[in-house]
Amino acid sequence: EVQLVESGGGLVQPGGSLRLSCAASGFTFSNYLMMWVRQAPGKGLEWVANIKQDGGEKFSVDSVKGRFTISRDNAKNSLFLQMNSLRVEDTAVYYCARQLGRGADYWGHGTLVTVSS
Amino acid sequence: SDELTQPPSVSVSPGQTARITCSGDALPIQYAFWYRQKSGQAPVLLIYKDTERPSGIPERFSGSSSGTTVALAISGVQAEDEADYYCQSTDRSGDYVIFGGGTKLSVL
Repeated sequence: EVQLVESGGGLVQPGGSLRLSCAASGFTFSNYLMMWVRQAPGKGLEWVANIKQDGGEKFSVDSVKGRFTISRDNAKNSLFLQMNSLRVEDTAVYYCARQLGRGADYWGHGTLVTVSS
Repeated sequence: SDELTQPPSVSVSPGQTARITCSGDALPIQYAFWYRQKSGQAPVLLIYKDTERPSGIPERFSGSSSGTTVALAISGVQAEDEADYYCQSTDRSGDYVIFGGGTKLSVL
């Protein structure tokens, strides 16, 4: 059974940093592109970043460029999102998802990031 | 810019067919995906590559594509289908993922 479990969310002050993790199981992690998607309270889904199987190519939405970094450790079946210079508008539930083509077929339950003073 | 436009809301009576549209300039060259999200839950993939249904998704969910518009149809709508529905695709290059704004389906 495919499982994606996010962790690392919490309350952080503006300008602070957090590192999100996603533990994958039930499939061959190194064979799949992976992505992070977020959802601000009461808002829609927003793609954050994705990463190719070997970690060599990464893409991210303009609003997080230069602040967030997606990475992966295929040996540990894990996906990461390093978030620096956090802003109030980054407050959201962050989902890890496995890509199927350019969509996502499996999603984690999400981890809440709250940026507030 | 490559955006995906969905109606904010759709209402339908039980047993009828609901149709949710999604428009975007890149849709003729990029596949669309559809997700359902119930309150407090993670999204679930309903349709991939415009018309394909993952295993476990009932046949009453179907996707179609015509030019710059794709659509999700839900036949025999039930109260349990009340949820937010999102289309998703990419920009023309295929590198940047885009979500539509979401459609809230209400079952009257």
